[in-house]
Amino acid sequence: QITLKESGPTLVKPTQTLTLTCTFSGFTLSTTGVAVGWIRQPPGKALEWIALFSWDDNKRYSPSLKSRVTITKDTSETQVVLTMTNVDPVDTATYYCARVVVPATGAFDFWGQGILVTVSS
Amino acid sequence: DIQMTQSPSTLSASVGDRVIITCRASQSISRWLAWYQQKPGKAPKLLIYKASTLQSGVPSRFSGSGSGTEFTLTISSLQPDDFATYHCQHYSNYMFSFGQGTRLDI
Repeated sequence: QITLKESGPTLVKPTQTLTLTCTFSGFTLSTTGVAVGWIRQPPGKALEWIALFSWDDNKRYSPSLKSRVTITKDTSETQVVLTMTNVDPVDTATYYCARVVVPATGAFDFWGQGILVTVSS
Repeated sequence: DIQMTQSPSTLSASVGDRVIITCRASQSISRWLAWYQQKPGKAPKLLIYKASTLQSGVPSRFSGSGSGTEFTLTISSLQPDDFATYHCQHYSNYMFSFGQGTRLDI
């Protein structure tokens, strides 16, 4: 059974650094083609892809967020961590992590429940 | 960057209706297009990938078509459980982008 779950702070202050952890089970990031991505959704708005960490340790970032985000894999190999610097109220959103198999599907087939992060002083 | 544009933004329909949602890409994306269903407070659920491949467990009333720049999601006969928001998503070389979503209302 494949599961993913996001964890981290639900309230951060402007200019602070946000760190979110995706803990997953039921698959490994060492399997060819497997990757974990982060996607966010501001309240009432569209989904926005943020970053991807793939089985070959390849990292990709959304061009619009690239300067502020970093994605890494924990040594446990069952967690992927997203770091976002200098957060702003516009970064208030539900943040999801999800699995994708590339290029087999190119789609996120399993998702975490999401974590609502509010940026406010 | 490839931009994904969905239409309409909102759609009103009734149980039993046939519904079509369109997603257009700003340049050709071959068939690298996925569709998701999202209900309030829940994570998106994958319906279709590679434009027309139905994800396991998804009812056959959902279908996808298209290639290049224009794609459609069709629900052949709306069921009460289908009222939700639908998103399209493009994949290319480890990069992704989503459409703005289509809300399907009763």
